[in-house]
Amino acid sequence: KAGVTQTPRYLIKTRGQQVTLSCSPISGHRSVSWYQQTPGQGLQFLFEYFSETQRNKGNFPGRFSGRQFSNSRSEMNVSTLELGDSALYLCASSLADLPDSPLHFGNGTRLTVT
Amino acid sequence: AQSVAQPEDQVNVAEGNPLTVKCTYSVSGNPYLFWYVQYPNRGLQFLLKYITGDNLVKGSYGFEAEFNKSQTSFHLKKPSALVSDSALYFCAVRDNNNDMRFGAGTRLTVKP
Repeated sequence: KAGVTQTPRYLIKTRGQQVTLSCSPISGHRSVSWYQQTPGQGLQFLFEYFSETQRNKGNFPGRFSGRQFSNSRSEMNVSTLELGDSALYLCASSLADLPDSPLHFGNGTRLTVT
Repeated sequence: AQSVAQPEDQVNVAEGNPLTVKCTYSVSGNPYLFWYVQYPNRGLQFLLKYITGDNLVKGSYGFEAEFNKSQTSFHLKKPSALVSDSALYFCAVRDNNNDMRFGAGTRLTVKP
């Protein structure tokens, strides 16, 4: 079974631009979560989608948005990029909307904003 | 609010020695606790979880974790460390919104 796939692996953008990251979950997984990982802040929760609905959102500005499609694939968009948005963005999927379901992570998209 | 804390940024052990990576938690109700490992330029990999039952949980790659309710701890352990165990380790807890909250991470270095 294929794992969580994130594309692209690397992105370089300039301030003010916008970017879209893509995530394909493990087949059959309906929950998709997004995290931002930086050396200083660790892993910060962005948002989670389940069956095309955003269930919860972390403490990020409105420039960060996402969506989930009917096939459970998810995209994350960041508009008006800032230097501080440089980070590894991780997507994770889980089988069910249950508290004991572990997350399965992709290898991430490394975003560099110059 | 549910949270986990990893008191050590860095743990160094010699190959063949036992290792412990510490984690304490703060939850209301029953805790759902997890350990993940991250290798360079990769995403996190699930190692093990505690839901209920035995306090000693066994997971992947020979790792185990001990749940201690009185000390609100969930330390990750391995009897004999390998150089290949060197990585970043994260403790996590499911919060009341069913979101996974992670600790700051502990970098484990195993020296030959």
